[in-house]
Amino acid sequence: SQQGEEDPQALSIQEGENATMNCSYKTSINNLQWYRQNSGRGLVHLILIRSNEREKHSGRLRVTLDTSKKSSSLLITASRAADTASYFCAAFTSGTYKYIFGTGTRLKVLA
Amino acid sequence: GAVVSQHPSWVICKSGTSVKIECRSLDFQATTMFWYRQFPKQSLMLMATSNEGSKATYEQGVEKDKFLINHASLTLSTLTVTSAHPEDSSFYICSARDRGLAGTNEQFFGPGTRLTVL
Repeated sequence: SQQGEEDPQALSIQEGENATMNCSYKTSINNLQWYRQNSGRGLVHLILIRSNEREKHSGRLRVTLDTSKKSSSLLITASRAADTASYFCAAFTSGTYKYIFGTGTRLKVLA
Repeated sequence: GAVVSQHPSWVICKSGTSVKIECRSLDFQATTMFWYRQFPKQSLMLMATSNEGSKATYEQGVEKDKFLINHASLTLSTLTVTSAHPEDSSFYICSARDRGLAGTNEQFFGPGTRLTVL
């Protein structure tokens, strides 16, 4: 399968704690994006990181990219109950011009 | 800016009927649109790439005669699920690449269409 892997599959934390999700992909990429999806809803774009970038911040989000390991991580700091959702990485594969999604991490933040 | 809409947002149909889903880029031109399918609690699987004015490119395992894609204009792509069966019930999501932002390869996603086949 071309699909990327994410771990953990599910994560449950207390409000205020940090949440870290990891994504691994299989081929060379041009960029990688992270999305959030609330249950039964569409995707919300969070952050895009290019292959020549190693780290990117946006508010409480921090994304890292290690192209040598073909992996990325998403850190959500000071989590809130409203952060409860599924999070997906999507790797834009070089040469194919397609985004391949990871398996997703279901995050639950307990108030 | 960069808004993609889908219509309908949900649809229920009888087995054997055909259902058409529209994907529109509202404020930009999209030479390329993508169709994804998502089963409950699973990730998005790319079904096909839709190019304006040419035939769609289907991913391995996706039946092109069952999932008809038409990209008739720079702002509209349609997915028709023909002779739908209960196993086709899923969440269908489209995305579009802004022609003006081709260098970024960023895609903008629609809100999705939930199809339920009885």
